[in-house]
Amino acid sequence: DAGVIQSPRHEVTEMGQEVTLRCKPISGHDYLFWYRQTMMRGLELLIYFNNNVPIDDSGMPEDRFSAKMPNASFSTLKIQPSEPRDSAVYFCASSPYGSPSSYEQYFGPGTRLTVT
Amino acid sequence: KQEVTQIPAALSVPEGENLVLNCSFTDSAIYNLQWFRQDPGKGLTSLLLIQSSQREQTSGRLNASLDKSSGRSTLYIAASQPGDSATYLCAVSSGGSEKLVFGKGTKLTVNP
Repeated sequence: DAGVIQSPRHEVTEMGQEVTLRCKPISGHDYLFWYRQTMMRGLELLIYFNNNVPIDDSGMPEDRFSAKMPNASFSTLKIQPSEPRDSAVYFCASSPYGSPSSYEQYFGPGTRLTVT
Repeated sequence: KQEVTQIPAALSVPEGENLVLNCSFTDSAIYNLQWFRQDPGKGLTSLLLIQSSQREQTSGRLNASLDKSSGRSTLYIAASQPGDSATYLCAVSSGGSEKLVFGKGTKLTVNP
């Protein structure tokens, strides 16, 4: 398997523009997670899905952020409008279904977003 | 609210040294604890997962221990090598069993 795939790897955009980040999870994994990593706050969970359904979006910073998972092999994280404080590395991760104590998450390479 | 702390934030050692990285968490009601490695500009690679019922896990030169009652975990690296240089992150499942809360990591440098 190719692992979790994210695109683009780097994105530079101007304040106010719409940004869409994409993720393809590992085939057969039931869970998909979106994280944001910054120097100040470390890694933070934004939202996660189970079988394409959003389960917990309490980490989404504000209404400018939205995430969708239209099918088991694709998810998007959209920021509209983008702001300089959104600059961060965004990671997607997936996890197979299993006993709760054995969930192991597999991370993609991340998308480095810079908003000027 | 679960909080995860990793000390030290950075560590520099000579090649061949054995070392210990520390992780502490505030809520002992966890399902599991994972140690990850992150290389600069890269994603996270899972190193070890310890289930809440386990005390330790080993993989090659790595050994991770878990003491739930005291809210602590350690990652032991034996005979360190320059290739071990990376940031090591600790994460615990908290809230729902699928959710991970991360520490900010320990940046390890192994000098040849």
